[in-house]
Amino acid sequence: DSGVTQTPKHLITATGQRVTLRCSPRSGDLSVYWYQQSLDQGLQFLIQYYNGEERAKGNILERFSAQQFPDLHSELNLSSLELGDSALYFCASSGLANEQFFGPGTRLTVL
Amino acid sequence: DQQVKQNSPSLSVQEGRISILNCDYTNSMFDYFLWYKKYPAEGPTFLISISSIKDKNEDGRFTVFLNKSAKHLSLHIVPSQPGDSAVYFCAASETYAGNNRKLIWGLGTSLAVNP
Repeated sequence: DSGVTQTPKHLITATGQRVTLRCSPRSGDLSVYWYQQSLDQGLQFLIQYYNGEERAKGNILERFSAQQFPDLHSELNLSSLELGDSALYFCASSGLANEQFFGPGTRLTVL
Repeated sequence: DQQVKQNSPSLSVQEGRISILNCDYTNSMFDYFLWYKKYPAEGPTFLISISSIKDKNEDGRFTVFLNKSAKHLSLHIVPSQPGDSAVYFCAASETYAGNNRKLIWGLGTSLAVNP
């Protein structure tokens, strides 16, 4: 158990819809990262937050947005969903060290 | 542009033998490298890391070697066990502006350790 929690575990929705994925980092970790893993793809970095502020952006689509709240949990919002958005979405957190600790992921299926 | 490359999508070894997983990178500014292990339907798990000031780091059965001149690192697992069967991701990190840090990931190598 990494100490990072993600909800929901599975999500099935339709094209055009909007969903919110939630992540709670390890106790004391200020950084939260979001990743997408599509079928046969590696981990694609989406975005990083540090203590409530956006710190780094990767290959995140404009239809996607994220935020980190004062209690340090984070939400990833995916809107106008397309079939190609079906993927595993991972959240990770880190403290002062380089290592990131990953949650179990949310499997999103867009029908 | 893949800055971190794991050129072998899969690797199969016999139990008890050595597993060698390779990773190449292109960005000379990377200063920290990590290996993660991932089982299906689970999040990646941190395995071992190495700073660019070192050329070797060992933790039990796992050793990571870094060759900065060749921009190459490798993970050695000795002896390999069936439970090591998983996808292994190489990641590289560049530190910038204090706490700004992001990992650049390879596509992974699927290791199968056969009994």
